[in-house]
Amino acid sequence: GAVVSQHPSRVICKSGTSVKIECRSLDFQATTMFWYRQFPKQSLMLMATSNEGSKATYEQGVEKDKFLINHASLTLSTLTVTSAHPEDSSFYICSAALAGYGNEQFFGPGTRLTVL
Amino acid sequence: RKEVEQDPGPFNVPEGATVAFNCTYSNSASQSFFWYRQDCRKEPKLLMSVYSSGNEDGRFTAQLNRASQYISLLIRDSKLSDSATYLCVASNSGNTPLVFGKGTRLSVIA
Repeated sequence: GAVVSQHPSRVICKSGTSVKIECRSLDFQATTMFWYRQFPKQSLMLMATSNEGSKATYEQGVEKDKFLINHASLTLSTLTVTSAHPEDSSFYICSAALAGYGNEQFFGPGTRLTVL
Repeated sequence: RKEVEQDPGPFNVPEGATVAFNCTYSNSASQSFFWYRQDCRKEPKLLMSVYSSGNEDGRFTAQLNRASQYISLLIRDSKLSDSATYLCVASNSGNTPLVFGKGTRLSVIA
């Protein structure tokens, strides 16, 4: 099946620093990737849709200047959390849809961010 | 109102039991439906797609009722390894994001 990787898997940082998370589709090309966030005991919430070669589409309430998304190639999307604060601590998960697979999305293993 | 709502759980059942999860969705334009399984501190993994005619995969049976905008998942002969959170998911067709329910926690007890 299609494989999506994320890096890093876990990051702990000080408040005010920026953190970059990479999402890669390893064996397929993904024109569209999605970024989700999951707080403890909550459902996955879509943050933004990342389109290769164009600007990301952000969900209501997600600050585009704080969560920078770059989808520079068909296999890589990055999410940068700028000036992270403790309330940004969460589980960030990316996914990619594989055309012809009935809208199934393949998820990366997630990145657990802890901001001190 | 949340777009996808699920039984709150948790469900604590003995091994071998049959358990059913229910889910409703509010967006009548939804075309694709799935059940995902998520283990603690892990990413969701697709359990099965849900089709209008109903579909079965081993011990798992999924049903969809478009008129009622209702989805169900039945697990027969529960195993300890079935313990996880089960996420009901709806999506429009095409390359669109998935909308997740909050999930239902299942604990299968020996």
